[in-house]
Amino acid sequence: AQSVTQPDIHITVSEGASLELRCNYSYGATPYLFWYVQSPGQGLQLLLKYFSGDTLVQGIKGFEAEFKRSQSSFNLRKPSVHWSDAAEYFCAVGAREYGNKLVFGAGTILRVKS
Amino acid sequence: SQTIHQWPATLVQPVGSPLSLECTVEGTSNPNLYWYRQAAGRGLQLLFYSVGIGQISSEVPQNLSASRPQDRQFILSSKKLLLSDSGFYLCAWSASGAHYGYTFGSGTRLTVV
Repeated sequence: AQSVTQPDIHITVSEGASLELRCNYSYGATPYLFWYVQSPGQGLQLLLKYFSGDTLVQGIKGFEAEFKRSQSSFNLRKPSVHWSDAAEYFCAVGAREYGNKLVFGAGTILRVKS
Repeated sequence: SQTIHQWPATLVQPVGSPLSLECTVEGTSNPNLYWYRQAAGRGLQLLFYSVGIGQISSEVPQNLSASRPQDRQFILSSKKLLLSDSGFYLCAWSASGAHYGYTFGSGTRLTVV
């Protein structure tokens, strides 16, 4: 079965600094990969996804992520963080072989300091 | 465009009382539907999913049940709530195919007292 690891529970960055949130997955074939963001008390919003093609994908709010098959990673990046980016971020993996179910990581809470 | 509605937004219920949370999707047909629970600091736990009317799959044994009486309606229920049922409940839908990803509702904060 596929699994997702987000090694960082909390990350704090200064406003204007760059950001990288890590995500590692476990799955033999090419997975479908997603990043979601959740503001407190809200549902999850899709930031970006990868399922084929260019391994560098662009998302909303200035985020991007790169699929690296050799490292089984799909890290999320943003060159300059804004205070409004403070939220919890979830990486998720799916695969055709597992139907339509996505497996989510435990999440990374991003704090932005001014 | 497709939208997903989930209600109520917050709910405080006594132990032993029943529960009914509703989720509806508009603008699509035959969606896959999901109920997740998010307990503090514990990520997202898939509770139930459904690929069609009357078709419910349960991921974990628990005090909850789900039903899908109509194509775009998904209901989460309990006959008697436990304290451990407290949490943030999220409904989601997807088109057929894992690569589409999910669209989530805004969630229900359930507090059992």
